[in-house]
Amino acid sequence: KAGVTQTPRYLIKTRGQQVTLSCSPISGHRSVSWYQQTPGQGLQFLFEYFSETQRNKGNFPGRFSGRQFSNSRSEMNVSTLELGDSALYLCASSPQGSGIMNTEAFFGQGTRLTVV
Amino acid sequence: DQQVKQNSPSLSVQEGRISILNCDYTNSMFDYFLWYKKYPAEGPTFLISISSIKDKNEDGRFTVFLNKSAKHLSLHIVPSQPGDSAVYFCAASAGRQGAQKLVFGQGTRLTINP
Repeated sequence: KAGVTQTPRYLIKTRGQQVTLSCSPISGHRSVSWYQQTPGQGLQFLFEYFSETQRNKGNFPGRFSGRQFSNSRSEMNVSTLELGDSALYLCASSPQGSGIMNTEAFFGQGTRLTVV
Repeated sequence: DQQVKQNSPSLSVQEGRISILNCDYTNSMFDYFLWYKKYPAEGPTFLISISSIKDKNEDGRFTVFLNKSAKHLSLHIVPSQPGDSAVYFCAASAGRQGAQKLVFGQGTRLTINP
């Protein structure tokens, strides 16, 4: 079974630009969550999607948005990039929400975003 | 307001000995706890989890203990091996959300010395 796939692996953008990151979950997983990892703040929850609907949201500004498609693939978008958005963005998929409780989240390798 | 805390940024253990990683939480609504291991430039890898209805869960060399009254959990690795050297994250979730919305600690860097 293929794991969680995130593309691209590395990205360099300029301040003020926007960026779109992609995540393909494990086949059969309908829940996709996004996290931001920075040295100062650690791993922080951005949002979670299930069946194309955002179910949970973390404390990030509106510049951070996401969506999920009917095949459970998800994208996150960051607009008007700031230097502080430089981070490792991780996507995780979970079978939870499909009648399965208390299981783990499976993480992708992440996208390293550098804003210059 | 950090709801999940790993107070030891780093830990060094001799190969073959026991490694004990600690985690404290403040939110009494947390009912599911997980430990992840992370290598640089990779995503976290799930190790072991525990539900709040249990106080211990074991999987091979890994055992997680949960003390709900103290709001404390710990991960024991016995025996420690060089391949265990990584950053370990404790994570928690609340209200039947399971692994969909996790709150992470800051991580503990474990180094196993030969």
